[in-house]
Amino acid sequence: DGGITQSPKYLFRKEGQNVTLSCEQNLNHDAMYWYRQDPGQGLRLIYYSQIVNDFQKGDIAEGYSVSREKKESFPLTVTSAQKNPTAFYLCASSFLAGAETQYFGPGTRLLVL
Amino acid sequence: KNQVEQSPQSLIILEGKNCTLQCNYTVSPFSNLRWYKQDTGRGPVSLTIMTFSENTKSNGRYTATLDADTKQSSLHITASQLSDSASYICVVSDFSGNNRKLIWGLGTSLAVNP
Repeated sequence: DGGITQSPKYLFRKEGQNVTLSCEQNLNHDAMYWYRQDPGQGLRLIYYSQIVNDFQKGDIAEGYSVSREKKESFPLTVTSAQKNPTAFYLCASSFLAGAETQYFGPGTRLLVL
Repeated sequence: KNQVEQSPQSLIILEGKNCTLQCNYTVSPFSNLRWYKQDTGRGPVSLTIMTFSENTKSNGRYTATLDADTKQSSLHITASQLSDSASYICVVSDFSGNNRKLIWGLGTSLAVNP
């Protein structure tokens, strides 16, 4: 059963805490992406990776970090430096970076306690 | 400034009716335009993708049109079903095809009522 999965579905963060969102894909896609979605705003790119062991900042990378140690996995850490982390986080992948259609995971909703 | 504007912001129709959603963009140079469907609390799912040379593309009851001269696209939904209730997002990429340059619209929220 191929696809892209994200976990957990809901995540709660305490003040000053780092949290990590998981994203896994078994589509054999080279490129992976993290987006943030807020009410009334379009998707905004946080980080993207075109190949293993390489990643690039998107438009709103401050307060976030990523790693790409395996082709299948692209975890996102929301650090304490991100002052407004409450949002819906979407992970996506595509066969190649470029004009390829992106396939999205089900999303993780992050809430601050 | 590269922008994608969608209208209407929200729409309510009765089951079985048709509807058309609009997307105007100022992205230049243009590479391709995609329409995504996003159910509440879920990730977007691609419906269609069109390049500069394509005027229309269908996916079941969904038909997208593109006028690259006027920089307008529309998504027509035929014989709507309750499951069509979702947000429909227009996404435009520039000529470089760089996914970092995807410009996302805010979406049109469609509610199909019985």
